[in-house]
Amino acid sequence: GAGVSQSPSNKVTEKGKDVELRCDPISGHTALYWYRQSLGQGLEFLIYFQGNSAPDKSGLPSDRFSAERTGGSVSTLTIQRTQQEDSAVYLCASSSYVLNEKLFFGSGTQLSVL
Amino acid sequence: AQRVTQPEKLLSVFKGAPVELKCNYSYSGSPELFWYVQYSRQRLQLLLRHISRESIKGFTADLNKGETSFHLKKPFAQEEDSAMYYCALRLKTSYDKVIFGPGTSLSVIP
Repeated sequence: GAGVSQSPSNKVTEKGKDVELRCDPISGHTALYWYRQSLGQGLEFLIYFQGNSAPDKSGLPSDRFSAERTGGSVSTLTIQRTQQEDSAVYLCASSSYVLNEKLFFGSGTQLSVL
Repeated sequence: AQRVTQPEKLLSVFKGAPVELKCNYSYSGSPELFWYVQYSRQRLQLLLRHISRESIKGFTADLNKGETSFHLKKPFAQEEDSAMYYCALRLKTSYDKVIFGPGTSLSVIP
């Protein structure tokens, strides 16, 4: 089937606005990850879901960031009161929960905060 | 703390020359290590994983637990190898977590 789908592919917003980024993982994949990719920082871990629960939220940069996953499928990453430093590519990945299983990545959402 | 480091942000080599992208990790458990690659305008994708001991596109990587390293090597670089390379570590805890290094941008000069 289709790979990991992310929307929108590009998002331009004004400082202080809220944004929602969506990730549709590969069907049947129970594990879902959000990462932030920025120049010089590489891939920064944000949050991990196993099913609908998020056992590790340690990477969320501040309380302005939140994420949820419903039905063990689609996930939404919400950034409230966006700041310019939030500008980055937000990547979603999914995998099945088996030993040594690789991550399948989406094409990302390029977020620009003006 | 668990961490993956890649000391070189940029690496340039001539076509046909050997290439080595360095990766070091810190982790008290038994590591699962991976190399991911992102070609221009493409998605991040798995290149190889240490458990498979495979060679993909001529690349190999050996896990050295004594030096906590997982360097990626290729004897003869090709232009199509130009890409961003990320080393990744899967942490075996009660849940699953994969962390990445900062990445190395490889440029192969014709």
